[in-house]
Amino acid sequence: SQQGEEDPQALSIQEGENATMNCSYKTSINNLQWYRQNSGRGLVHLILIRSNEREKHSGRLRVTLDTSKKSSSLLITASRAADTASYFCATVPTSGTYKYIFGTGTRLKVLA
Amino acid sequence: DAGITQSPRHKVTETGTPVTLRCHQTENHRYMYWYRQDPGHGLRLIHYSYGVKDTDKGEVSDGYSVSRSKTEDFLLTLESATSSQTSVYFCAHLAVTFSSTDTQYFGPGTRLTVL
Repeated sequence: SQQGEEDPQALSIQEGENATMNCSYKTSINNLQWYRQNSGRGLVHLILIRSNEREKHSGRLRVTLDTSKKSSSLLITASRAADTASYFCATVPTSGTYKYIFGTGTRLKVLA
Repeated sequence: DAGITQSPRHKVTETGTPVTLRCHQTENHRYMYWYRQDPGHGLRLIHYSYGVKDTDKGEVSDGYSVSRSKTEDFLLTLESATSSQTSVYFCAHLAVTFSSTDTQYFGPGTRLTVL
């Protein structure tokens, strides 16, 4: 399987704490994206980082990318109960296709 | 809903029956996708399309076929449904930009149960 792995599989934190989740992938990539999924809903795009970038910020989100280790991390600062969701990384390979490969996801629960 | 809908939203069927799921987009995007989501596996690509009549297999394509006769519609067919195809199916389209900030937009999902 080419599917990426995410860890932890599940994470439970208190409101106001930071949440960090990690993604590892297997192929060379053009970019890596993070998506969020609320229970029973479709995925929603959060942030994209290109293969030549090392860090990117968007609001309370911070993404890092280490292409030498084929890994990425997503940090959510000052978590809120509304951040409770599953988070997935997705990679776009350099093969020239747009065949996205999604990770297995991290289930985040933020306790009020 | 980012201009993408799926039908039906829920379906219960019996083993051995054919099933067709429909994905419809209103934004004229070239790329469309079908995924299945199962506990512990995240999203896995079944098939994708890069244009009318242009499709390619994904990681878990066995037992599935697709068709795209119009830009706006991407159909997923289970020729003879099996219990292992019980899953939640998501359709997506890809908004490609010149700045390479390509983003997938997902439909609401179809929950399929095969008895």
